[in-house]
Amino acid sequence: DTGVSQDPRHKITKRGQNVTFRCDPISEHNRLYWYRQTLGQGPEFLTYFQNEAQLEKSRLLSDRFSAERPKGSFSTLEIQRTEQGDSAMYLCASSDQETSGNTIYFGEGSWLTVV
Amino acid sequence: AQTVTQSQPEMSVQEAETVTLSCTYDTSENNYYLFWYKQPPSRQMILVIRQEAYKQQNATENRFSVNFQKAAKSFSLKISDSQLGDTAMYFCAFVDNRLAFGKGNQVVVIP
Repeated sequence: DTGVSQDPRHKITKRGQNVTFRCDPISEHNRLYWYRQTLGQGPEFLTYFQNEAQLEKSRLLSDRFSAERPKGSFSTLEIQRTEQGDSAMYLCASSDQETSGNTIYFGEGSWLTVV
Repeated sequence: AQTVTQSQPEMSVQEAETVTLSCTYDTSENNYYLFWYKQPPSRQMILVIRQEAYKQQNATENRFSVNFQKAAKSFSLKISDSQLGDTAMYFCAFVDNRLAFGKGNQVVVIP
């Protein structure tokens, strides 16, 4: 198992453009999480999935943000009409009660810079 | 909503010495999990240690150990025999369904 993988690792985009990040969780992990982290801060929860169902969304997740996990495996996080305040690292994580006992494993993150 | 509080935003420790990071949390749940994660300059979030709330015994992983006080909702991390590679941000985190993080402690190990 290669762990949680995220793509792309870095993205620079112009304000107003749309961006999409992909996350591949550890295989057989049924929970998948998205977090956002800015410099000097701890990660902030955005949303999480149990299999394909999106069970919780943070108020941080404005209507410009949408996340999907269509087949309960990989997930995408799309940001529409990006703003400079969206510049951050977007972290994906996964867990499974059966195999990881609620321990949450993180990917290396996707850096977004909006110019 | 659960909250996690970490004080002492930056701490320095001499190599081979011991440093303790404090963390308090707030929850109405009885069964939950607590974690310490390490984030070095590479920004990869690495699990250091975990503790199940129903276990009274404090977790230990090599040079890392915790002091879990459930009634006080306290979960401190002790790093013994500090090494240069321990230099990182350390985040305390709480989970029932989702993971809530504290703001982090910067630990700098001085040679």
